[in-house]
Amino acid sequence: KAGVTQTPRYLIKTRGQQVTLSCSPISGHRSVSWYQQTPGQGLQFLFEYFSETQRNKGNFPGRFSGRQFSNSRSEMNVSTLELGDSALYLCASSRTGPRADEQFFGPGTRLTVL
Amino acid sequence: AQSVSQHNHHVILSEAASLELGCNYSYGGTVNLFWYVQYPGQHLQLLLKYFSGDPLVKGIKGFEAEFIKSKFSFNLRKPSVQWSDTAEYFCAVNANNAGNNRKLIWGLGTSLAVNP
Repeated sequence: KAGVTQTPRYLIKTRGQQVTLSCSPISGHRSVSWYQQTPGQGLQFLFEYFSETQRNKGNFPGRFSGRQFSNSRSEMNVSTLELGDSALYLCASSRTGPRADEQFFGPGTRLTVL
Repeated sequence: AQSVSQHNHHVILSEAASLELGCNYSYGGTVNLFWYVQYPGQHLQLLLKYFSGDPLVKGIKGFEAEFIKSKFSFNLRKPSVQWSDTAEYFCAVNANNAGNNRKLIWGLGTSLAVNP
């Protein structure tokens, strides 16, 4: 069974640009969650999608958005990048959701904003 | 607001030493509790979880955790660590009857280094 895949693995952008990250969940998993991981803040929840609907959202500004497609693949978008957006962005999938299910994490996308 | 606190940020042990990593959360209702681990160069993976029942739960690789409701704690333990246990350990909590608040709250993680 293939694991969670994320593309690209590394990304360098400059302030003001926008970026789109992609996540393909494990086959059969309908829930996809996104996290931002930084050394000082740890893992912070961005949002969760289930069956193409955003089911929950963390405390991030509107510059952070996401969507999920009918095949459960998910994308997240960050517009007007700021230096503080530099982080590892993790995607995790589960069958029914992170509350009651084991989440399977991808390798992450390392975003550097210059 | 809900929060999760992991008391030890960095722990260094020798092989065969016993391990206990603390995790406390701030929510008075029913919770689901998780410990995840990230080995060097690998993805985050689930170590163990608690939803209900026996407060002592066993996970993979000889790890266990005890849920103490009165102390709002879910400490991770292993009687004898190995060099291969070197990793970052994360505690995560969800308040499962908090209305729309269905997200997991994560601790900042504990970095464990085991010397051979």
